[in-house]
Amino acid sequence: DVKVTQSSRYLVKRTGEKVFLECVQDMDHENMFWYRQDPGLGLRLIYFSYDVKMKEKGDIPEGYSVSREKKERFSLILESASTNQTSMYLCASSFPGIGGEKLFFGSGTQLSVL
Amino acid sequence: KQEVTQIPAALSVPEGENLVLNCSFTDSAIYNLQWFRQDPGKGLTSLLLIQSSQREQTSGRLNASLDKSSGRSTLYIAASQPGDSATYLCAVNATNKLIFGTGTLLAVQP
Repeated sequence: DVKVTQSSRYLVKRTGEKVFLECVQDMDHENMFWYRQDPGLGLRLIYFSYDVKMKEKGDIPEGYSVSREKKERFSLILESASTNQTSMYLCASSFPGIGGEKLFFGSGTQLSVL
Repeated sequence: KQEVTQIPAALSVPEGENLVLNCSFTDSAIYNLQWFRQDPGKGLTSLLLIQSSQREQTSGRLNASLDKSSGRSTLYIAASQPGDSATYLCAVNATNKLIFGTGTLLAVQP
């Protein structure tokens, strides 16, 4: 079975801190994604990557950056955490394909910024 | 801009009932559509993926249909069980990125 692992289930940080969210997948997927999920707003794409050292902005990249130094690992970085970044963060991966293939998600990180 | 809508936002049914969840999208130029299940506080699990050239996909008690021309998909759950209680989300892939609906919260009463 495909496994997408997010390093933390719950995280509490203070305003202004630099926050790292880690995601690792074990299926050699080229594509990796970071979403945030908020009540009433659904899932919104922050950043995605189609290959090592490659990154593309999603719909809401402001205040975030990403790093993909190895194929299996995709990190989301909050440069200076703010209270409006309190959210559930979900990482996903997939094989590439025409139009994309089935997406596999991690179990999520609930981040609270105080 | 592609928009995905799921109605109703919440649904409660007695155990054993057959039910249909609805998903509509505004732009018919899509590659595929996926249905996901999300349990409270958890990540998403992919249930079914329908390519744009397909009309339906089946997995066990689940059947998903796709009508691109009308911008609609349905997820049919047969003989519902309490374990089916979860939030169901649909997502369309139009530019190699998924656009999600806000989901339908399903409660199956024993």
